Amino acid sequence: AQTVTQSQPEMSVQEAETVTLSCTYDTSESDYYLFWYKQPPSRQMILVIRQEAYKQQNATENRFSVNFQKAAKSFSLKISDSQLGDAAMYFCAHVPNTGNQFYFGTGTSLTVIP
Amino acid sequence: ETGVTQTPRHLVMGMTNKKSLKCEQHLGHNAMYWYKQSAKKPLELMFVYNFKEQTENNSVPSRFSPECPNSSHLFLHLHTLQPEDSALYLCASRYPGQGGEKLFFGSGTQLSVL
Repeated sequence: AQTVTQSQPEMSVQEAETVTLSCTYDTSESDYYLFWYKQPPSRQMILVIRQEAYKQQNATENRFSVNFQKAAKSFSLKISDSQLGDAAMYFCAHVPNTGNQFYFGTGTSLTVIP
Repeated sequence: ETGVTQTPRHLVMGMTNKKSLKCEQHLGHNAMYWYKQSAKKPLELMFVYNFKEQTENNSVPSRFSPECPNSSHLFLHLHTLQPEDSALYLCASRYPGQGGEKLFFGSGTQLSVL
């Protein structure tokens, strides 16, 4: 079964601090992609960061980085120097390299405290 | 702005009404998706179209009828819906080639069925 688990329904972080959001997934595929999407109150899902499973190096995008542990099927998102605009729902997702279907978690609601 | 436009933003309908949701993208993508987003649940894939052909139907009830007249437009026709169909309906598109593993989402249609 292809599943994505986000065990933290809600998280909060002080502005300028660092927060890590957890994600684990289950797949029988060897080649796939992993994503973190952000959904602010405007509801539009925005890609934050993506990782190719065949790459060992963790992806980074400015203040966002991931800790990808392929053997453990873990894909956490670290947000450094948190800003008020980071407040949103964050969804972890994966898609097999040869598939159509993206599998999403239930999301983590992040609050940034001024 | 991701380049995927959904209309209307909000829709309230009775159980006997017929309405349609529209999605449009001019990103040159050839794959389009309908997802249903309910609170505290993972995004549920409904339909996938590749080059105007339906390639995924995730056991969606027949009261939801998709239409993809061309690669840029996707519709979801609704009739005799149930209150449990109230949700956010998200459209997404993707370029189904190498490097096209990302989904680009619209802002969704918030549907309320009375």
